[in-house]
Amino acid sequence: KQEVTQIPAALSVPEGENLVLNCSFTDSAIYNLQWFRQDPGKGLTSLLLIQSSQREQTSGRLNASLDKSSGRSTLYIAASQPGDSATYLCAVRLGSGNTPLVFGKGTRLSVIA
Amino acid sequence: GAGVSQSPRYKVAKRGQDVALRCDPISGHVSLFWYQQALGQGPEFLTYFQNEAQLDKSGLPSDRFFAERPEGSVSTLKIQRTQQEDSAVYLCASSLANVEQYFGPGTRLTVT
Repeated sequence: KQEVTQIPAALSVPEGENLVLNCSFTDSAIYNLQWFRQDPGKGLTSLLLIQSSQREQTSGRLNASLDKSSGRSTLYIAASQPGDSATYLCAVRLGSGNTPLVFGKGTRLSVIA
Repeated sequence: GAGVSQSPRYKVAKRGQDVALRCDPISGHVSLFWYQQALGQGPEFLTYFQNEAQLDKSGLPSDRFFAERPEGSVSTLKIQRTQQEDSAVYLCASSLANVEQYFGPGTRLTVT
């Protein structure tokens, strides 16, 4: 059974710092990996999607990497801002069909002004 | 707005009551997923539809949970005889075949 683990569970940093969020998964036979942001009381906003054949994706200050063979992904946030405060969720999809996502428990990020 | 919508956004039910949660997917999206997110946890898969066919219901926690999508568009998740452990946020997501899932804002269910 695929399990997704996110470390750390919570993180507090001062504004302006660069930071890395970690995600690991037990079954390397993934179709893709997705990073989401969740604000309190809100749904999920997709940040980056990495296909299994890709090594990384970038969007603005965000960069996500994928090492499928070792079962790891990182989300790098550059020059953090208070508006980045949210819970960040990592999810993997198995198979090539329209299969469900398997999520980690998330990392709760606080960026202090 | 062309996103996934869910209603109600908040629902308080007394233990033993039945509830129905609605999901309106993005128009044209054939696939629809339901997830349950307990407090402090990541979302967990409940069930999946392709058009009106329920192809996977392996995540439904008990036979009190029932989902339908009779016309291949709007879906309803029904929970019978609610229990306190059913308290969670219920998320709906839709997608075209084989691509990214788009999530709704969720329904927060509190069972008292």
